Amino acid sequence: EPEVTQTPSHQVTQMGQEVILRCVPISNHLYFYWYRQILGQKVEFLVSFYNNEISEKSEIFDDQFSVERPDGSNFTLKIRSTKLEDSAMYFCASRDRQGTEAFFGQGTRLTVV
Amino acid sequence: AQTVTQSQPEMSVQEAETVTLSCTYDTSESNYYLFWYKQPPSRQMILVIRQEAYKQQNATENRFSVNFQKAAKSFSLKISDSQLGDTAMYFCAFPDRGSTLGRLYFGRGTQLTVWP
Repeated sequence: EPEVTQTPSHQVTQMGQEVILRCVPISNHLYFYWYRQILGQKVEFLVSFYNNEISEKSEIFDDQFSVERPDGSNFTLKIRSTKLEDSAMYFCASRDRQGTEAFFGQGTRLTVV
Repeated sequence: AQTVTQSQPEMSVQEAETVTLSCTYDTSESNYYLFWYKQPPSRQMILVIRQEAYKQQNATENRFSVNFQKAAKSFSLKISDSQLGDTAMYFCAFPDRGSTLGRLYFGRGTQLTVWP
């Protein structure tokens, strides 16, 4: 069964460092998302992406964040200068068309020290 | 703006029993989807079941079923014959129809513990 794959599963980084979280969405899907879940809190939307551009972003997704789909298969989230409060679980999701369910990856646990 | 409310932070049930998790939402839309996701200790987000609002019939997936009451804007999840592997955080989720690509709003979740 097709699945969304995220790497790495766990990333530890020093405050101020850049990190890139990687995702391989399901191959025929068109819409891509990043969500974040701080430990013990609810899942929050970060950004959606379609046709090689950002469709929508939340107030969390500030200038420190960027996304790209460099090669037609990978979908990446970059945090330029990490802060302690960026520590969270980051989920990538993809969907094939409007109205259907989003499929989530297994998440990347980011720990900023 | 849409809201999703899960009023039960924690619930517990004995193995083989039935449990119902509640979710209410607010929307002005008439046609939409609703989802329940499960997050086990591994923290992966797994779709459990979805409901299409224009369908009057409640969705069912094996031991999981929903009680969808559109007028009351209620979308509860019933788990029958609970199993130890059902222990997880359960999130109700609702797409934002005002969002271009249907960003999901999640409730705060209900931690379900199934005990032997």
